Amino acid sequence: QVQPQQWGAGLLRPSETLSLTCGISSGSFSAYYWSWIRQPPGKGLEWIGEINHGPMYNYNPALKSRVTILVDTSKKQFSLKLSSVTAADTAVYYCARGVRPKVVAARDWGQGTLVTVSS
Amino acid sequence: EIVLTQSPGTLSLSPGDRATFSCTASQSVDNSYLAWYQQKPGQAPRLLIYDASLRATGIPDRFSGSGSGTDFTLTINRLEPEDFAVYHCQQYGSSPYTFGQGTKLEIK
Repeated sequence: QVQPQQWGAGLLRPSETLSLTCGISSGSFSAYYWSWIRQPPGKGLEWIGEINHGPMYNYNPALKSRVTILVDTSKKQFSLKLSSVTAADTAVYYCARGVRPKVVAARDWGQGTLVTVSS
Repeated sequence: EIVLTQSPGTLSLSPGDRATFSCTASQSVDNSYLAWYQQKPGQAPRLLIYDASLRATGIPDRFSGSGSGTDFTLTINRLEPEDFAVYHCQQYGSSPYTFGQGTKLEIK
């Protein structure tokens, strides 16, 4: 089991780009699926996208035109960029690692980052 | 996109009771790739069950998952005070992976 740490800006203005990074200090990185998931205040969870071994990228079509996931396996980190944010992108953003290699279900979660979009 | 519908929206039970949560998919979930998560206020979700019926490490055997195709169930036997939370299901059989809207388990 690992404890992902995530960081990035928590307050953005409309049209700016959200940028978050997630990483681990030890443990296996490349063999697992890594996901970004978000949760608007008081609402349910939404899967944003993932990176898996390969690396291969997989995005939610609803956000695909604005999302980029990048990876730096040497640092055991991956990042999320979401462009042209609006108030609808206000949410707690989580990174998470799959429960075991090649399984998407997320066992190890970051602490979450509240991103607020406001003018 | 597979839509997951969870029922009921809220479940009111007492410690010691059995809780049963339903998650119904709009189409069959490939390989029964369905997970259940528990979430408490201000915390990240916690994985309970994956692949429909496998308990994650450290999850008490009071928690069990079952189902296949479009109908899945999470059962919690002998509710403990710490079990009162929101429960989410997620399918990862086909992309985009989707979540249900959640079921809140509250103390009666």
